[in-house]
Amino acid sequence: SQTIHQWPATLVQPVGSPLSLECTVEGTSNPNLYWYRQAAGRGLQLLFYSVGIGQISSEVPQNLSASRPQDRQFILSSKKLLLSDSGFYLCAWSVLGTSGADEQFFGPGTRLTVL
Amino acid sequence: GQNIDQPTEMTATEGAIVQINCTYQTSGFNGLFWYQQHAGEAPTFLSYNVLDGLEEKGRFSSFLSRSKGYSYLLLKELQMKDSASYLCAVSDSNYQLIWGAGTKLIIKP
Repeated sequence: SQTIHQWPATLVQPVGSPLSLECTVEGTSNPNLYWYRQAAGRGLQLLFYSVGIGQISSEVPQNLSASRPQDRQFILSSKKLLLSDSGFYLCAWSVLGTSGADEQFFGPGTRLTVL
Repeated sequence: GQNIDQPTEMTATEGAIVQINCTYQTSGFNGLFWYQQHAGEAPTFLSYNVLDGLEEKGRFSSFLSRSKGYSYLLLKELQMKDSASYLCAVSDSNYQLIWGAGTKLIIKP
């Protein structure tokens, strides 16, 4: 069965510090991978998605970047965090099925607080 | 632009039935998803509709009308554990999910 791991679970960082969040998927190959951010009481905002190694699409301009060094590894980074980067960061994966459904499966999330 | 609308919050009584509506305007349509998200946790998949009609799965049912750009999630025999946010998401022409802001459902005893 497929599993998705995210770490750390919680993180408190000062403004201006760097960030690295990691996500790995097991039990599937060539998944689509996604990074979302969710502000408190709000919906999901898609930050990045990737359809393959080294292929990253950015949905919103920001001081964040993403990389996919391996098929099942997706990394979210920042060189200098802003207060507005606080939120709940979710990694998700999907595989386009024969029905066309692109159901996404989420990792446990990382709660980031920037002070 | 692309838009998903759902009520911000709803309240219902334990044992009752509640219907959460979702309307959408997207560039293309490749299905509509409902997810459940408990506070502080990741969303989990509930249902998927791509054809018009009702899909039933236990206490939860989901309905879709593509011509009206409308879906609802029906929860029967409400339990306290159903207190959560319910997210509506539409897969657009590029198979990207467009997410609604979610409906917070409060269950009272």
